[in-house]
Amino acid sequence: VLAQSPGTLSLSPGERATLSCRASLSVSSNFLAWYQQRPGQPPRLLIYGALTRATGIPDRFSGSGSGTDFTLTISRLEPEDFAVYYCQHTETFGQGTTLEIK
Amino acid sequence: QVQLVQSGAEVKKPGASVKVSCKASGYTFNDYHIHWVRQAPGQGLEWMGRINPRNGATNYAQKFQGRVTMTRDTSISTAYMELSRLQSDDTALYYCARIRGGIAYDFDHWGQGSLVTVS
Repeated sequence: VLAQSPGTLSLSPGERATLSCRASLSVSSNFLAWYQQRPGQPPRLLIYGALTRATGIPDRFSGSGSGTDFTLTISRLEPEDFAVYYCQHTETFGQGTTLEIK
Repeated sequence: QVQLVQSGAEVKKPGASVKVSCKASGYTFNDYHIHWVRQAPGQGLEWMGRINPRNGATNYAQKFQGRVTMTRDTSISTAYMELSRLQSDDTALYYCARIRGGIAYDFDHWGQGSLVTVS
């Protein structure tokens, strides 16, 4: 099980966002990924291997963590970053964190 | 460029089956596993299974065992997902997705989604 927190995060453009993904058992970082999903669109791969940005992803997105605790950080929020974020480990997705404009 | 283009929306009655297609282009179809992920309205992502286009080998989520069948037609670079015995809680957007490569389990390209409504 992957538990994401918070469920909803309210921030303003320019602020820093920190999203958490906690696994019920230790998992391999090699298979920990993060996605962004905007309304009406399929998910978009942001981070794979826990910390590697996918092709074309801005460097304000960064991933970290190992074992059971993983974090997605967005250093300075842009208007287009307000969306839902999912973590994934192999066949399991977290329930998502909604990042909304404060 | 890599593209996954899915079939259109379907409306089915309870108990019926649906078959969704996913046509790949822009890469060698046989070289990347295709996974299927669904998303019920307003809900999160749920992994359904995967197919290796090279040999047709499949793995399904336990929840869908016996009810889902994933196939492919390499001659037209198309993967299919068929779900039988549909119920109202199968109403969802069904996505196909391509793995990033190798033994990866993350998905760098997604189809646009196929809405299946069971009513």
